[in-house]
Amino acid sequence: KQEVTQIPAALSVPEGENLVLNCSFTDSAIYNLQWFRQDPGKGLTSLLLIQSSQREQTSGRLNASLDKSSGRSTLYIAASQPGDSATYLCAVLNNNNDMRFGAGTRLTVKP
Amino acid sequence: DAGVIQSPRHEVTEMGQEVTLRCKPISGHNSLFWYRQTMMRGLELLIYFNNNVPIDDSGMPEDRFSAKMPNASFSTLKIQPSEPRDSAVYFCASSSVGITDTQYFGPGTRLTVL
Repeated sequence: KQEVTQIPAALSVPEGENLVLNCSFTDSAIYNLQWFRQDPGKGLTSLLLIQSSQREQTSGRLNASLDKSSGRSTLYIAASQPGDSATYLCAVLNNNNDMRFGAGTRLTVKP
Repeated sequence: DAGVIQSPRHEVTEMGQEVTLRCKPISGHNSLFWYRQTMMRGLELLIYFNNNVPIDDSGMPEDRFSAKMPNASFSTLKIQPSEPRDSAVYFCASSSVGITDTQYFGPGTRLTVL
């Protein structure tokens, strides 16, 4: 059974800092990996989707990398802003169409 | 497009009562997903449909839970009878072409069972 872990559970940084969020998974037989953002009391918003054959995806200040062999993905946020404050979740889709989410990292960017 | 629409946004009920959650996916999307989010278990996929047909319901916790999708624009998740441990936020999501595609989430229904 796929296990998805996100460390740290919470992170606080000053505005303007570059930061990295981590996601690890136990089974490398994945189809894709997604990073989501969740604001308090809201649903999830997909940020980036990386196919298993890809190494990274970029969107604006966000860059997600995938190392399938080591079971790791990172989400890099450049020049963080207070509006980036949210919970970030990674989700792994296995080759058997089983989707597993991490518990998330709660990010606070202080002005 | 209005996005994925869920109703009600909040539901408070008593143990033993029937609860029905509703979802309208994004128009033109062929796949619909139901999730449950709790502090203890995080976000879990309960069931998903492709073209109104249930594909995988292995995440449905018990027979008390059932989901239907009578047409492409409407789905329900029913809990009968409800129990306090069913208290959670239930999300509906939709995608264009299945579980491999980007999913768009609704705002969720916060269910409290007393």
